[in-house]
Amino acid sequence: RKEVEQDPGPFNVPEGATVAFNCTYSNSASQSFFWYRQDCRKEPKLLMSVYSSGNEDGRFTAQLNRASQYISLLIRDSKLSDSATYLCVVNENYGQNFVFGPGTRLSVLP
Amino acid sequence: EPEVTQTPSHQVTQMGQEVILRCVPISNHLYFYWYRQILGQKVEFLVSFYNNEISEKSEIFDDQFSVERPDGSNFTLKIRSTKLEDSAMYFCASSAGGSSYNEQFFGPGTRLTVL
Repeated sequence: RKEVEQDPGPFNVPEGATVAFNCTYSNSASQSFFWYRQDCRKEPKLLMSVYSSGNEDGRFTAQLNRASQYISLLIRDSKLSDSATYLCVVNENYGQNFVFGPGTRLSVLP
Repeated sequence: EPEVTQTPSHQVTQMGQEVILRCVPISNHLYFYWYRQILGQKVEFLVSFYNNEISEKSEIFDDQFSVERPDGSNFTLKIRSTKLEDSAMYFCASSAGGSSYNEQFFGPGTRLTVL
């Protein structure tokens, strides 16, 4: 079965820390990649898409390595509000089903 | 900002009963999806729907499940005879297009509890 794997976590970091999450996917034919965040008992919300060249959105940087089938998310200067579960999501089939990783929980501590 | 809505927020039912979960996707979206998340587990794809037909479904989506777009706005998931293991959060999602990079927007979910 094709899978998406993530760091098991949880990550407990102080405010202002830099934290990195890793994700690997097994289907080499995967088309697109995303990071979603999910707050406790809420729906997943898109954090950012991940492009081949890497992309940055404020304090968040995403990287993709297709050869190694590896995706990363870097959060700089973490805030209390960054506390959530971060979901690595891979689209395997041209816009149809998303395959979700199990998520990595982040707690940013004051 | 347009959003996906779902009703009810929580549904409690007896094993063997039929349930219908309702979703109103974002109005100009054409692709619709159902996912489920068992408590403490990962989000799992159930089915995608486009042009009034199922375009893809997972092995979870067996004969007990069906989807329908009965009118221009609602998108429903029916579970014919619920089992205890159907207890989960069910998320509806929609996207504007079907290409790889189209973001899927998720509704707030319906928590289904089967007793």
